[in-house]
Amino acid sequence: KAGVTQTPRYLIKTRGQQVTLSCSPISGHRSVSWYQQTPGQGLQFLFEYFSETQRNKGNFPGRFSGRQFSNSRSEMNVSTLELGDSALYLCASSFSGDNSPLHFGNGTRLTVT
Amino acid sequence: GESVGLHLPTLSVQEGDNSIINCAYSNSASDYFIWYKQESGKGPQFIIDIRSNMDKRQGQRVTVLLNKTVKHLSLQIAATQPGDSAVYFCADLSNDYKLSFGAGTTVTVRA
Repeated sequence: KAGVTQTPRYLIKTRGQQVTLSCSPISGHRSVSWYQQTPGQGLQFLFEYFSETQRNKGNFPGRFSGRQFSNSRSEMNVSTLELGDSALYLCASSFSGDNSPLHFGNGTRLTVT
Repeated sequence: GESVGLHLPTLSVQEGDNSIINCAYSNSASDYFIWYKQESGKGPQFIIDIRSNMDKRQGQRVTVLLNKTVKHLSLQIAATQPGDSAVYFCADLSNDYKLSFGAGTTVTVRA
């Protein structure tokens, strides 16, 4: 069974631009969540989706948004990029989101210059 | 703030020895814990999980122990190998679909 797939693997953007990251979950998984990983803050929860509905959102500004499609694939968008948005963005999928293990992709490394 | 944390940021272990990685959590309502391994350039990889109705769970070369009285869990790796070198995270999955991670322990295996 294929794992969680994230594209692209690397991105370089300049301040003020926007970016869209993509995630394909493990087949059969309906919950997709997103995390930001930085050396200073560690792994921080962004949001979680299940059946196209956002069920929870972390403490990030409104510039961070996401969505989930009917095939469970998910995208996250960051608008008006800031230098501090440079991070590894990780997507995780699970069967239900609340009582089953989350499996992570290898992330998208975003660098904002 | 984070609901879980690790006791030590780094652990150096001789190849072939057993490793023990510790983690403390603060939320007594936590009922589902997961250990992850993260290698350089990769995402966190699921190792093993445990629910609060269990004290111990074993996998291949790994054992997780949960002590609810002192809110502590540990990951034991038997016969540590060079491929075990990585950062290990404990995480608590809350009932609002959010994983809270500890800061991580970097394990280095000495040949």
